[in-house]
Formats: sequence, C-alpha cells, structure tokens
Amino acid sequence: DGGITQSPKYLFRKEGQNVTLSCEQNLNHDAMYWYRQDPGQGLRLIYYSQIVNDFQKGDIAEGYSVSREKKESFPLTVTSAQKNPTAFYLCASTFTPTGVGNTIYFGEGSWLTVV
Amino acid sequence: AQSVAQPEDQVNVAEGNPLTVKCTYSVSGNPYLFWYVQYPNRGLQFLLKYITGDNLVKGSYGFEAEFNKSQTSFHLKKPSALVSDSALYFCAVRVFYGNNRLAFGKGNQVVVIP
Repeated sequence: DGGITQSPKYLFRKEGQNVTLSCEQNLNHDAMYWYRQDPGQGLRLIYYSQIVNDFQKGDIAEGYSVSREKKESFPLTVTSAQKNPTAFYLCASTFTPTGVGNTIYFGEGSWLTVV
Repeated sequence: AQSVAQPEDQVNVAEGNPLTVKCTYSVSGNPYLFWYVQYPNRGLQFLLKYITGDNLVKGSYGFEAEFNKSQTSFHLKKPSALVSDSALYFCAVRVFYGNNRLAFGKGNQVVVIP
C-alpha cells in the first residue's frame, strides 16, 4: 500500500540521550515535514524539506536535527538539547512544493516519552 | 502573518443533529484553506480544501465547508452527525505562496452524544 510510514509508534528516551524517529514515504512526494503536537497547542512545524539534500528550520527547530539523503526518507533526531521532548510527532509529505493546492498527507505519528 | 483561529475548544452535538466546527482565517493575498480530522492516537486525515471556485466545498465522510470571504471564515459542517464523528478537527492555512507549509489552528474536540 502507498503511504507514509512512521516508526516506532512508541519510543522512550532517557535523559541525555539522542533518539531518531523514522519517516518513509512511497508516494513519490517531493516535500516532507515534521510536526510536533502537544495537547491544546495544535501542530507546530519543526523542519521541512522541499528536495533531497535540502531542508529548512520550522518554528521550533531547536533541539532537533534532520537529514534528507533520499527522496523517500526524512528521519528526525531529537537531541539531548531538546529539554521537553515528550510529545506526539507527525511526519507529512506532498507533491511539488510550489503547488499551492497540493494536499499534505500525514503518517500515523510517533509518541516520544522521556523517562 | 497567515494564521487560522478555532475559537471553541469543544463542540458537543447530539447524534443526528447538524454539526458545525468554526474556523476564521487571517491571510495576506488569496487564502488556501484545509480541514483535517484526527482520531485518538492516529495521524491527521485530510477532509477537504478550498483553493478557488465555489464557496461550498464538499469533502470526505459527508463533510462540507463554506468559504466566506467577507467574514474571513471557513466553517466545517455536516448535516447529520454520527457518533463516529467524535474526533479532533483541525483547520489549516497555506502559509507562503510557492511554499507548501501549513499553519494549524489549535483544534476542536467534537463530541457526538448518542
């Protein structure tokens, strides 16, 4: 089936650890995104990438890093510098960034909890 | 800056009654507006979008939305709510022309009472 696959669904991080959330899409989409969801705050953009080997910071990039080495993959690393990482993380993708009418589609999300 | 507002935290409606979830927007230029639904512990599912054309947009699962330029609103509606419509609903706006970012409202919890 075509779609956006996020893994793992649940992840626990110890203090001082870096962890990586995986996002893979087989939709041949050009652009990929990472959003963070906290209760009552909606979704906030962490990073986005319009093409391979290029990405830009979103609104809350501090403490996070990404890479875009392949079109289908956009992993997110939550570093120890992110002081409050407990949240639901959503990966998304879409065709042709300059198409304003293009719909952005989302994966099923990953829960990250600090223990 | 492009933004949307969802003024209500929760909407309660009896099953079979009309459902309305409110969204107002603030943009410079043409608005490109979207509605998504999220069920517990799941990702966001696309419902519908307004890009241009008819002010009444029809989407998935019997939902529709009315674009009102004079009131800067894009309210989501369903004529007869189902218990299975209970979920979190997000309104979103395209942030920059030529860039596919979306800015989201804080979401509305819809509770459909049997």
